[in-house]
Amino acid sequence: DSGVTQTPKHLITATGQRVTLRCSPRSGDLSVYWYQQSLDQGLQFLIQYYNGEERAKGNILERFSAQQFPDLHSELNLSSLELGDSALYFCASSVSAGVGQETQYFGPGTRLLVL
Amino acid sequence: AQTVTQSQPEMSVQEAETVTLSCTYDTSESDYYLFWYKQPPSRQMILVIRQEAYKQQNATENRFSVNFQKAAKSFSLKISDSQLGDAAMYFCAYWRSNYQLIWGAGTKLIIKP
Repeated sequence: DSGVTQTPKHLITATGQRVTLRCSPRSGDLSVYWYQQSLDQGLQFLIQYYNGEERAKGNILERFSAQQFPDLHSELNLSSLELGDSALYFCASSVSAGVGQETQYFGPGTRLLVL
Repeated sequence: AQTVTQSQPEMSVQEAETVTLSCTYDTSESDYYLFWYKQPPSRQMILVIRQEAYKQQNATENRFSVNFQKAAKSFSLKISDSQLGDAAMYFCAYWRSNYQLIWGAGTKLIIKP
């Protein structure tokens, strides 16, 4: 158990819908990262928040947005969902701003299926 | 652009033997970090080992070690005395200076009892 929690574990929805994925980082960690893993592929970095502020942005679609709240939990909002958005969405956290030597601890992921 | 390549989609090894997983990367940066992560069937991503590019000494963690060849931009993972619990997808990742982890496509490791 990494200490990072994600809810829900599974989500099934229809095209065009909007969903929210939630992540609680390890106690004391200030950074939260969101990744997308499509079937049998590597992870794609979406976005990082550090202490409430956006720190880095990867290949995140405009239909997707995220935020980190004062209690440091984060939410990833996915809207106008398409079949291709079906994937495993991981949240990770690290102690500080995310400098390379920091270990990122991963949550168990949320599996999203868009029908 | 930085890329990470894992050329072996799947590898198999007999239990108790040694296996090496390959990873190459492309970068123009001189200071960076490399990682190997393990993803068992549970899908949890677990850090296996980390290497700082400025360190010449290869990182080791118990049965796991790396062969880091900076000039060749190669970062292979050696697993000694393979165990059934080592069966998983293994991902190589590169940390770039704008705070992104770039991931390879993964290698599926099968352990034969």
